[in-house]
Amino acid sequence: EDQVTQSPEALRLQEGESSSLNCSYTVSGLRGLFWYRQDPGKGPEFLFTLYSAGEEKEKERLKATLTKKESFLHITAPKPEDSATYLCAVQTTGSSNTGKLIFGQGTTLQVKP
Amino acid sequence: KAGVTQTPRYLIKTRGQQVTLSCSPISGHRSVSWYQQTPGQGLQFLFEYFSETQRNKGNFPGRFSGRQFSNSRSEMNVSTLELGDSALYLCASSPGGGEKLFFGSGTQLSVL
Repeated sequence: EDQVTQSPEALRLQEGESSSLNCSYTVSGLRGLFWYRQDPGKGPEFLFTLYSAGEEKEKERLKATLTKKESFLHITAPKPEDSATYLCAVQTTGSSNTGKLIFGQGTTLQVKP
Repeated sequence: KAGVTQTPRYLIKTRGQQVTLSCSPISGHRSVSWYQQTPGQGLQFLFEYFSETQRNKGNFPGRFSGRQFSNSRSEMNVSTLELGDSALYLCASSPGGGEKLFFGSGTQLSVL
């Protein structure tokens, strides 16, 4: 069964304290791995797509990396506005070119000033 | 460009009733997907429509159904509501499916 697991469930950081969020996946075939950010009361907002092992993407204080079994979202010198739930999702080769994603449970990040 | 619009924002229903939720995708997007989000199960895929045809379906009972109109707007219907149907229902659109999804803010459904 295709599965996505995120850890930790919750993470509290001080402003400026860098850390990483983990997303491990077990799928029959990976077409793409997506990272989303979700703020309370809103829908998920797209951050990155990674397609192959070794690929990296960066946006401001965020950097996403991908291996054959997991992905990391590195947050460098976070600010309070980075507080949100970060969701990882995979698209399998069996569902390629469709809107079907398998989501992890998310990591809720709180950054204190 | 306007984002994905979902209406209504909040709904309160009682067990046994039925409900219809609406989603207007980003202009030009032909794929509309629906997801259910609960604290216990997270985001789970319900179904996807592309050019008025259901292209993909998740593991939900037949009480959950949907449709898409020629202008790409989509509706989902839940019949014979159960307490466990209380959730945030999210709609997402994309140009053709397979690319990044653009989500609406969702409809929060409470079943009493």
